[in-house]
Amino acid sequence: ETGVTQTPRHLVMGMTNKKSLKCEQHLGHNAMYWYKQSAKKPLELMFVYNFKEQTENNSVPSRFSPECPNSSHLFLHLHTLQPEDSALYLCASSQDPGGNSNQPQHFGDGTRLSIL
Amino acid sequence: AQSVTQLDSHVSVSEGTPVLLRCNYSSSYSPSLFWYVQHPNKGLQLLLKYTSAATLVKGINGFEAEFKKSETSFHLTKPSAHMSDAAEYFCVVTPYNQGGKLIFGQGTELSVKP
Repeated sequence: ETGVTQTPRHLVMGMTNKKSLKCEQHLGHNAMYWYKQSAKKPLELMFVYNFKEQTENNSVPSRFSPECPNSSHLFLHLHTLQPEDSALYLCASSQDPGGNSNQPQHFGDGTRLSIL
Repeated sequence: AQSVTQLDSHVSVSEGTPVLLRCNYSSSYSPSLFWYVQHPNKGLQLLLKYTSAATLVKGINGFEAEFKKSETSFHLTKPSAHMSDAAEYFCVVTPYNQGGKLIFGQGTELSVKP
C-alpha cells in the first residue's frame, strides 16, 4: 500500500458509543494531522503530531482523544459525541514540518462520521 | 496575520473552455502556497505548490498557477476543462515559521458542463 489510508471509510454511531478512527501512512513522514471537514466550512485543524509528540491541540473538546503510537499510525478515539460532530474526518501526513517547512501534506480519503 | 481568500465559491465552465479559479493571500513574509483538489468522497490531492522558485508553477492534470507578489494572488488556471475536473478546489498558504501549519481557503466548487 502507498499513501495515507484511513479506516473505516464510513461510521455511524450513537451518542453514547465509543469508537476509534485509524490512520496509517506509508510515506516515511514524521508529522501527522487530524482535520474536521464540515459542510460549507473550511477545514479545521484538530491535532498535530510531530515525531509522535503532540504539538498542537486546536481547542478540541475532550470527547475527541488522539493517540500516536509511532510516526506511521494515528488514532482518534471518540466517545459521547454530539450530533454537530458529524463530519468528514481527514488524516494527513508530511515530512518534519520544522519551523519553516514548505512540505505539502498528503491526505487520506477520510472517515465519514454520522452521529445519531 | 496570514489568510487566504478564494474569490468565487462556485465556478461553472463548459468542457473544453479555460478554467480560472482565483485566490488572494495575505502574508507578512514570503509564503508557501498550494492548490489542492477534492473529488466527492475523497481526500485532498495536491495539484501544485509554490515555494519561492519559479513564479509560474505547473501541476498535475494540466493545471498551473502564477504567483504574483504585487497582486498577492495565486490564481489557478487550465487551458481546457475536462468533465473529470469537476471537484472542490482549495487554495492553501503555509505561513512563515509556523511549523508547516496550513491555512485553507473556503474552497471553490468547479462544475463542468458537457
